[in-house]
Amino acid sequence: GAGVSQSPRYKVAKRGQDVALRCDPISGHVSLFWYQQALGQGPEFLTYFQNEAQLDKSGLPSDRFFAERPEGSVSTLKIQRTQQEDSAVYLCASSFYSGAGNTDTQYFGPGTRLTVL
Amino acid sequence: RKEVEQDPGPFNVPEGATVAFNCTYSNSASQSFFWYRQDCRKEPKLLMSVYSSGNEDGRFTAQLNRASQYISLLIRDSKLSDSATYLCVVNQGGGYQKVTFGTGTKLQVIP
Repeated sequence: GAGVSQSPRYKVAKRGQDVALRCDPISGHVSLFWYQQALGQGPEFLTYFQNEAQLDKSGLPSDRFFAERPEGSVSTLKIQRTQQEDSAVYLCASSFYSGAGNTDTQYFGPGTRLTVL
Repeated sequence: RKEVEQDPGPFNVPEGATVAFNCTYSNSASQSFFWYRQDCRKEPKLLMSVYSSGNEDGRFTAQLNRASQYISLLIRDSKLSDSATYLCVVNQGGGYQKVTFGTGTKLQVIP
């Protein structure tokens, strides 16, 4: 079946511009995660949804970052007034929440490479 | 101290060699552990989960040492196709879904 998809794959923004990044998780996956990955680093957690509920947004670096998942499926990560330090790859991952007390495998999308000039 | 620490490498090894990576974690409540593989400019993909008793999948062996709070990955008979970055991943405790990634260890297998 289809994996996690993200769009756009590449985005170039001028400093101060707003951007919106989209994630389509695997159908039926309850959990959805957003990560930020800088060059040479591991993915850094941004936020986590279980269905439409945003359970954890502790990793969002500033109030310029906002994420939503209104119908518990597609999610959008929005960055307002982009800054150069926002340049990174933004990864989305989804997992099937088994509710069995385990941490489930996360399946990643290809990422959106954001460059802020 | 970082929550999850890895030696960034790079590890340059000849084909056929055995190579081992270690990863230490700081949260003693962590219960779930994974190794992910990330190829250059690609997304991370699960390589294997790490179980308390240790587990093996072909040429790959993962082990967990709770007392010392580290996990390891052993790759035997390295192939050129094993060249990638290996990410250590640890959850926050119990069945919590949030995980923390290490910075990754880069492996380059040389012909």
